[in-house]
Amino acid sequence: KQEVTQIPAALSVPEGENLVLNCSFTDSAIYNLQWFRQDPGKGLTSLLLIQSSQREQTSGRLNASLDKSSGRSTLYIAASQPGDSATYLCAVRQGYNTDKLIFGTGTRLQVFP
Amino acid sequence: EAGVTQSPTHLIKTRGQQATLRCSPISGHTSVYWYQQALGLGLQFLLWYDEGEERNRGNFPPRFSGRQFPNYSSELNVNALELEDSALYLCASSLEFRGLYEQYFGPGTRLTVT
Repeated sequence: KQEVTQIPAALSVPEGENLVLNCSFTDSAIYNLQWFRQDPGKGLTSLLLIQSSQREQTSGRLNASLDKSSGRSTLYIAASQPGDSATYLCAVRQGYNTDKLIFGTGTRLQVFP
Repeated sequence: EAGVTQSPTHLIKTRGQQATLRCSPISGHTSVYWYQQALGLGLQFLLWYDEGEERNRGNFPPRFSGRQFPNYSSELNVNALELEDSALYLCASSLEFRGLYEQYFGPGTRLTVT
C-alpha cells in the first residue's frame, strides 16, 4: 500500500530564504507526482506535475525534482515571499488506470516579513 | 477559461440527514474526482467518474455515492450523515492529454454535521 510522507510538517522562515520541502513515497511504481498548495480553508492549486520519466520541472521560483528509485521528491522555493505562506501537498498517481491521487501529509509553510 | 466550480460553498446538516454536493468540471474535461479532507486525516480519495461511469472508489461506506451527468458535471450524495462526515469535500477534474492526467481542483464544499 502506497504511503506518502512529507517533512517537515511545519516550517517558519524569514522572507528571502530558499526552501526545500520533502516528499517521500514507499512504492516507487508511480505514474506521476503532483505538487499543490492549499490556502487555509480553500481548494488546491496545482503547482507542478512531474511524469515518472522526468527528473525535474520548473515554474518561476519553483523547482520540483523526482528520484523515483529512491522514492523521493523535493520542492525548491527560491527567494521566499510572505505570499508563499500556505500548506504544500505532494500527491502520487499510482498507475495509468488508477486515476486517484494519494496525498502526503502536507508541509505548513509560513514566511514572515 | 473557468476552473472547477463547486456548490454550495458551505452546507450545514444534522445527523441522519442527506447531503448533496455538486461539481462542474473544466470545460472539455471528462473525468471528475471527489476527495474528502477531514480534520487531522488529510486528503482521502472518495470517487472517480469518467464518461458517466464510476471507475474507482476509495475506502468509504456505500452511503457515499454519486453520479456523473451527460455534461460531465457530478454530484456527491452522502446519506445518513454522521458527525465524522464533517469535512471539506473537494472535486477535481482532468483530461488525458499526451499521457498527462493533471488534476485541477475546485474550491471545495465545507460540510458541517451537527
